Amino acid sequence: KNEVEQSPQNLTAQEGEFITINCSYSVGISALHWLQQHPGGGIVSLFMLSSGKKKHGRLIATINIQEKHSSLHITASHPRDSAVYICAVIRNAGGTSYGKLTFGQGTILTVHP
Amino acid sequence: NAGVMQNPRHLVRRRGQEARLRCSPMKGHSHVYWYRQLPEEGLKFMVYLQKENIIDESGMPKERFSAEFPKEGPSILRIQQVVRGDSAAYFCASSSTGGTEAFFGQGTRLTVV
Repeated sequence: KNEVEQSPQNLTAQEGEFITINCSYSVGISALHWLQQHPGGGIVSLFMLSSGKKKHGRLIATINIQEKHSSLHITASHPRDSAVYICAVIRNAGGTSYGKLTFGQGTILTVHP
Repeated sequence: NAGVMQNPRHLVRRRGQEARLRCSPMKGHSHVYWYRQLPEEGLKFMVYLQKENIIDESGMPKERFSAEFPKEGPSILRIQQVVRGDSAAYFCASSSTGGTEAFFGQGTRLTVV
């Protein structure tokens, strides 16, 4: 079983819909990233969370450390949001941690006009 | 302020040749991580380096792969005697402190023919 699990693996939406992508992890972490990757493109960190909630434009990310769960929400989705969204955690190993990331499998989001 | 620069963006090698992938971190960053994304698979950690030191190479294949980050110049991921299974996207990320931040490059797409 992967240490980081995302759902759904594939998500199709109509423009304007509210979208939620979920991430569950089974290890202690010091931080969690939500990453975005466009086809053939680079990777961008959308959010880095260690607690609570963050918002940037139409994107909202939340994390519940006790439940080992995070969600990424996109409000008023747009075709340009079509991309792969990847949850990645930084494990907290014995009180020391550095930026080594462990990744989920990614969620392929397609937003149709 | 330039971001993380990787070159080349695309690299084609014949089986048995060597591949050299370069990563120039963001200005002021002295920590570099290399990740590999195999086709239809998620991202996996390969190696973590600080200037002139390999800190964690637990994700590096035992043979043919090596990495360095010299005092001057970019970090280099070197793959000797490439095989078709090495075809993948290779990403590097940098940070200033080795902590939880992550700034990714555009990746190098290696194709072995």
